[in-house]
Amino acid sequence: GAGVSQSPSNKVTEKGKDVELRCDPISGHTALYWYRQSLGQGLEFLIYFQGNSAPDKSGLPSDRFSAERTGGSVSTLTIQRTQQEDSAVYLCASSRRESGRRTDTQYFGPGTRLTVL
Amino acid sequence: GQQVMQIPQYQHVQEGEDFTTYCNSSTTLSNIQWYKQRPGGHPVFLIQLVKSGEVKKQKRLTFQFGEAKKNSSLHITATQTTDVGTYFCAGFTGRALTFGSGTRLQVQP
Repeated sequence: GAGVSQSPSNKVTEKGKDVELRCDPISGHTALYWYRQSLGQGLEFLIYFQGNSAPDKSGLPSDRFSAERTGGSVSTLTIQRTQQEDSAVYLCASSRRESGRRTDTQYFGPGTRLTVL
Repeated sequence: GQQVMQIPQYQHVQEGEDFTTYCNSSTTLSNIQWYKQRPGGHPVFLIQLVKSGEVKKQKRLTFQFGEAKKNSSLHITATQTTDVGTYFCAGFTGRALTFGSGTRLQVQP
């Protein structure tokens, strides 16, 4: 596709419900990242997928958060038993490759704004 | 873990004034990237610096990577209202990027 797409663009849920956020990376990009951005704050790294390697889950804030990437393309971030502090914009980014010690440009999707009531 | 600090958090300038944001890492970086996020938008890549002491220019923007590859700066000459947004640095140590907290720039016309 032309860019990274994410769905839904907005999600309002009730505390305790589970939510799934979807990311479609740019075709051919092997690296995919999830970040969280609270209002007016910086980007908090959540998880990173690179090709067929085991994902780097070091940024996930709790075991309520999980993500998977199927077929090396689409990724889903799942938040179970949502809490109000989970409210944020969830951004997905993809990059073409990781080569040695360098990372390629990250292309960000428009984000999903999650509001937990 | 790796930390990337950015200062200032916020700067308000008059149009035409210069602006600089600074980025410091607790560890040596393989490379550093800069992103701009317009209000309501998502981060957009500006540039990547790789070499120690590297300086790159994009029109009114000048990017520097420190000799020790632990700090970087972005300088904007003669700001314009189109420069409004939050500027993030992001450092790579061999895993994922670690983003700084960002510097929000407001330009008064």
